[in-house]
Amino acid sequence: NAGVTQTPKFQVLKTGQSMTLQCAQDMNHNSMYWYRQDPGMGLRLIYYSASEGTTDKGEVPNGYNVSRLNKREFSLRLESAAPSQTSVYFCASSEGRRGPYSNQPQHFGDGTRLSIL
Amino acid sequence: EDQVTQSPEALRLQEGESSSLNCSYTVSGLRGLFWYRQDPGKGPEFLFTLYSAGEEKEKERLKATLTKKESFLHITAPKPEDSATYLCAVHPMDNYGQNFVFGPGTRLSVLP
Repeated sequence: NAGVTQTPKFQVLKTGQSMTLQCAQDMNHNSMYWYRQDPGMGLRLIYYSASEGTTDKGEVPNGYNVSRLNKREFSLRLESAAPSQTSVYFCASSEGRRGPYSNQPQHFGDGTRLSIL
Repeated sequence: EDQVTQSPEALRLQEGESSSLNCSYTVSGLRGLFWYRQDPGKGPEFLFTLYSAGEEKEKERLKATLTKKESFLHITAPKPEDSATYLCAVHPMDNYGQNFVFGPGTRLSVLP
């Protein structure tokens, strides 16, 4: 049981390049999330998908787009990468079966380390 | 604004030396508080959920407690394998979805 799988694990981009970070979960969870983690700061939510077919902005959505491809997969796209987007990106999922106010924990992948030069 | 702070920022303990990590939060209402462990190069690993003041949860050498303004993660007789960063997150009452607010973490080092 792999849980949450993120690809790639590492990536170096030049300013202005685009790329898509992939995330897949095999736990049949309804809700999925994208976070970024920067030194000295807590995890910050970029976008989330409460259920298949829906996406919403989180705390820091500027410069990013997402696609909930199906129940398993949730991708994050950087259209024109900027040095400020250098970070570690985590995908997470949770059951969400009791609706948006349910209190299930989120389960995380091992991250994508992204450097933008 | 919902906020979570954690102290200390870093903690070094000798093996067997018990201590506590603090998570203080400011939210309009608390739906739940979560503790995670994060090893270097890995994603956060879920440890506990606490829902109401007075609640306690235990797992091996770890015990989490909750009051109306803060949570403590007590580590009893720690071992080197307990070295990690411990993250606290709150799920505020007025948040749609499961928008957790994470603290910056406490980096724990346990020396043999």
